[in-house]
Amino acid sequence: DVKVTQSSRYLVKRTGEKVFLECVQDMDHENMFWYRQDPGLGLRLIYFSYDVKMKEKGDIPEGYSVSREKKERFSLILESASTNQTSMYLCASRGAGQGGTDTQYFGPGTRLTVL
Amino acid sequence: AQTVTQSQPEMSVQEAETVTLSCTYDTSENNYYLFWYKQPPSRQMILVIRQEAYKQQNATENRFSVNFQKAAKSFSLKISDSQLGDTAMYFCAFMKHGGGNNRLAFGKGNQVVVIP
Repeated sequence: DVKVTQSSRYLVKRTGEKVFLECVQDMDHENMFWYRQDPGLGLRLIYFSYDVKMKEKGDIPEGYSVSREKKERFSLILESASTNQTSMYLCASRGAGQGGTDTQYFGPGTRLTVL
Repeated sequence: AQTVTQSQPEMSVQEAETVTLSCTYDTSENNYYLFWYKQPPSRQMILVIRQEAYKQQNATENRFSVNFQKAAKSFSLKISDSQLGDTAMYFCAFMKHGGGNNRLAFGKGNQVVVIP
């Protein structure tokens, strides 16, 4: 079974803190993604990476950065957390199969609260 | 950019009955993939069913089936014989064919509640 794991299920941080959310996948997938999920807004893509050290902005990259130093690990960084970044964060990974037909697998999510 | 629209935010269904979720999308692509994902209260998002646009036959996975209407850009999900474990948010998603690094575009989701 594919496993996508996230470092924390629940996280509480203070405004202005630097926050690291870690995601690890065990299927040697090329593509990794970070989404945030908010009620009524669905899933919005923050950043994605299609290879080590490669990254591309998604739909809402402001206030976030990412790091992918190893293929299996994709980190989301909030340089200075703000209350409007309180959300559920989902990591996902997907192989670069022919035509992109591989299934995208999700982690269990991290519920981040910024006070 | 592709957009995916799900217009029925919350639906209730009696156990053992059938429920249909609607999804429409907007694209100028001819080759693409469509997906339904399920997110139960435990929050782990899982793939329910996938449809390739070039296939005319509707995909089926056990109690889950789709009605894919390419000309109408419609992709509905039917859950037959609903079970309590089907209670979840359901997301419709679109991905264009091509490079392996394509991204999924998601709808905003439908909440389905199965009532005993």
